[in-house]
Amino acid sequence: GAGVSQSPSNKVTEKGKDVELRCDPISGHTALYWYRQRLGQGLEFLIYFQGNSAPDKSGLPSDRFSAERTGESVSTLTIQRTQQEDSAVYLCASSLETGPAGNTIYFGEGSWLTVV
Amino acid sequence: AQSVTQLGSHVSVSEGALVLLRCNYSSSVPPYLFWYVQYPNQGLQLLLKYTTGATLVKGINGFEAEFKKSETSFHLTKPSAHMSDAAEYFCAVGPGTGRRALTFGSGTRLQVQP
Repeated sequence: GAGVSQSPSNKVTEKGKDVELRCDPISGHTALYWYRQRLGQGLEFLIYFQGNSAPDKSGLPSDRFSAERTGESVSTLTIQRTQQEDSAVYLCASSLETGPAGNTIYFGEGSWLTVV
Repeated sequence: AQSVTQLGSHVSVSEGALVLLRCNYSSSVPPYLFWYVQYPNQGLQLLLKYTTGATLVKGINGFEAEFKKSETSFHLTKPSAHMSDAAEYFCAVGPGTGRRALTFGSGTRLQVQP
């Protein structure tokens, strides 16, 4: 696609429910990143994919968070048993290959998650 | 480990005035440095980046930044602010040892007064 596409753009869920957030990277981009942005704060790294594997998942805050990527394309971030502190914008980004040196990282518009 | 510190969570300037947004970084390896801008209800957009070579980097919308290794800084400037520059600006550093993702600062919200 023309840009990084994320869905849903907005999600309100009840505490304790599971949510899935989807990211469609730019076609041909092998690297994919998930970040979290809490209100008024900076970007918090969650996980990075190279192809379908995740060499760095060090940013996932707890075992309630998981992510997968298939077909070296679409990625899904799943949050189980959501808590109010999970409320944030979840940003997906992609780049042509690993390493930001020569490859610009492109961001989607984010999925706004509100846990009530 | 890498880190980024953005001094000032909010900066307010008058239209036509100089914009200066401060960024200091910490990195154990030669850094690549980035500035991203986030307009309201939009995703992040790359303004400019420094990888190697010339330390003064020019970006979009008249912004530029200078990499100063001795000061571990990468401040963002624009000679004359425009109302449309009002946004949140993020400084980022990468890659980290064993990590390919960028590390972002906490952001600076730029307000432009008429």
